[in-house]
Amino acid sequence: AQKITQTQPGMFVQEKEAVTLDCTYDTSDPSYGLFWYKQPSSGEMIFLIYQGSYDQQNATEGRYSLNFQKARKSANLVISASQLGDSAMYFCAMRSNTGNQFYFGTGTSLTVIP
Amino acid sequence: KAGVTQTPRYLIKTRGQQVTLSCSPISGHRSVSWYQQTPGQGLQFLFEYFSETQRNKGNFPGRFSGRQFSNSRSEMNVSTLELGDSALYLCASTARDRTITGELFFGEGSRLTVL
Repeated sequence: AQKITQTQPGMFVQEKEAVTLDCTYDTSDPSYGLFWYKQPSSGEMIFLIYQGSYDQQNATEGRYSLNFQKARKSANLVISASQLGDSAMYFCAMRSNTGNQFYFGTGTSLTVIP
Repeated sequence: KAGVTQTPRYLIKTRGQQVTLSCSPISGHRSVSWYQQTPGQGLQFLFEYFSETQRNKGNFPGRFSGRQFSNSRSEMNVSTLELGDSALYLCASTARDRTITGELFFGEGSRLTVL
């Protein structure tokens, strides 16, 4: 069974600072994809970044980077130079190639302080 | 390219009623999934449709059902509504079938309140 764990219900970060949101996962599938989504108060889920289990390098997308440690089964999201607009819920998710179901963590609420 | 469109955005029902939610995926996407999001349970998978066939179903009672039409549009129905069905219902589509790549594209959700 697949499981995603996000242990930080809420996080605070000063504007312009970097912040790391934790995500660990559990799966027996040999290949899988890891995703991060942002959900502002409006409700829409916004895709941020993707990491494949076979990717050798950590993924980066602008101010977002994914710290992927396969042996530890962790896929932490790093947001650099935080902005007020980064205040939102962040969800870590996983999919395997056996179907199209995504497995989500419980999310981390990030608040950026001016 | 238009995104995933969900209607209605907000609705209020009373216990015992039924509700139908609609979702139009991104053009060309054949896989449509539904998720229920509540503050206590996070995002929970309801079901996934591909080419009009339900391929996967989450752990929800039979009151929750869905279907997909030939144009990939999908509907989900909840009968005999209970207070606990109050939630944000998110529809998502993906272009990539049964791979580890390809993100889900989400609609803005239908927020259901059951009184």
